[in-house]
Amino acid sequence: ELKVEQNPLFLSMQEGKNYTIYCNYSTTSDRLYWYRQDPGKSLESLFVLLSNGAVKQEGRLMASLDTKARLSTLHITAAVHDLSATYFCAVDMGRRDDKIIFGKGTRLHILP
Amino acid sequence: ETGVTQSPTHLIKTRGQQVTLRCSSQSGHNTVSWYQQALGQGPQFIFQYYREEENGRGNFPPRFSGLQFPNYSSELNVNALELDDSARYLCASSLQGFGPQHFGDGTRLSIL
Repeated sequence: ELKVEQNPLFLSMQEGKNYTIYCNYSTTSDRLYWYRQDPGKSLESLFVLLSNGAVKQEGRLMASLDTKARLSTLHITAAVHDLSATYFCAVDMGRRDDKIIFGKGTRLHILP
Repeated sequence: ETGVTQSPTHLIKTRGQQVTLRCSSQSGHNTVSWYQQALGQGPQFIFQYYREEENGRGNFPPRFSGLQFPNYSSELNVNALELDDSARYLCASSLQGFGPQHFGDGTRLSIL
């Protein structure tokens, strides 16, 4: 059974600092997603990673995928308060098993 | 482009009752997935529908059932409601095999 683990689950950091959120998964996967969720809101798609070595960047966020290590990272550069949210990774089993499994999420709190 | 819409936004039921939640997929999308998100947790995959057929299912009992209609909209039905069914239910649509899922705002279901 596919398991998706994120760490840390909670992160408090100051503006201007860099940090990385890790997403490990237990079996091979066709694709991996990163989402953002603000309190009481729905999920907003951030990145879709489709192949080994994929790297995508949007503003202060950069996501990467290492399928051999079964690891994805979400790196935050020079954090700003507006990035405070919960970030989820989700692993898509694709055609082998049509399930999408989410991690428990990383609650990011950026102090002004 | 019309996004994913869900109804109702909030619903209160009692144990043993039945509930139907509705979802209209984003235009051009042919796949709908349903998730249960308990407070402070990541979304849990319930099932996915593609071309009106169930196309993958998570670890939910048979009292969770669904439908997809020819226009790709979908319903989630839950029978014999239990207290633990209290959660937000999220619907997400996508184009099968391509891109990320787009989420609706969810239905908050409270069981008394």
